[in-house]
Amino acid sequence: DTAVSQTPKYLVTQMGNDKSIKCEQNLGHDTMYWYKQDSKKFLKIMFSYNNKELIINETVPNRFSPKSPDKAHLNLHINSLELGDSAVYFCASSTTRGELFFGEGSRLTVL
Amino acid sequence: DAKTTQPTSMDCAEGRAANLPCNHSTISGNEYVYWYRQIHSQGPQYIIHGLKNNETNEMASLIITEDRKSSTLILPHATLRDTAVYYCIVSYGDKIIFGKGTRLHILP
Repeated sequence: DTAVSQTPKYLVTQMGNDKSIKCEQNLGHDTMYWYKQDSKKFLKIMFSYNNKELIINETVPNRFSPKSPDKAHLNLHINSLELGDSAVYFCASSTTRGELFFGEGSRLTVL
Repeated sequence: DAKTTQPTSMDCAEGRAANLPCNHSTISGNEYVYWYRQIHSQGPQYIIHGLKNNETNEMASLIITEDRKSSTLILPHATLRDTAVYYCIVSYGDKIIFGKGTRLHILP
């Protein structure tokens, strides 16, 4: 069973479109994250939710809106996609000891 | 911003111990040292973490100096599958920030 699963794994879309990436974890963790890894391979934290509440928002443009319907899900919606949004987006969840478990990533390509 | 310094890359012969250093001279008293690795384009994988005592698990050992300003991750018998980028992170709480890491090449 996959612990942290993201869909879709690949997403190719045009500039200006709106898209969503879904994430689910079956580990029973309270905290979930979104990270972005760009072409230079730098992993940057974007958001963190604890039990459906936003706790970290790292100066991400307003076009990015995370949604947590319950503590097992953290979805990422992106409006008006730009070329610079092309990256691999990783979802993660963490134990109370700070051990992060990552999904396989969703590769977004904006044309 | 990452609060750690790691070498950009390292090589290690297959079957030998890989020792990956990390400097974290500004670490606070309540911050933990975490190690993760990322194999190719997969999601990062948790390896080990510690506060001040040395730690060992099935993957690796973590040696933290007494002043806690540096640490070493040890992979006791490196295999080709250990080729990856290894990240050393200091953190307390939910904000885990990744730096550039060390690219470890295991040589056959």
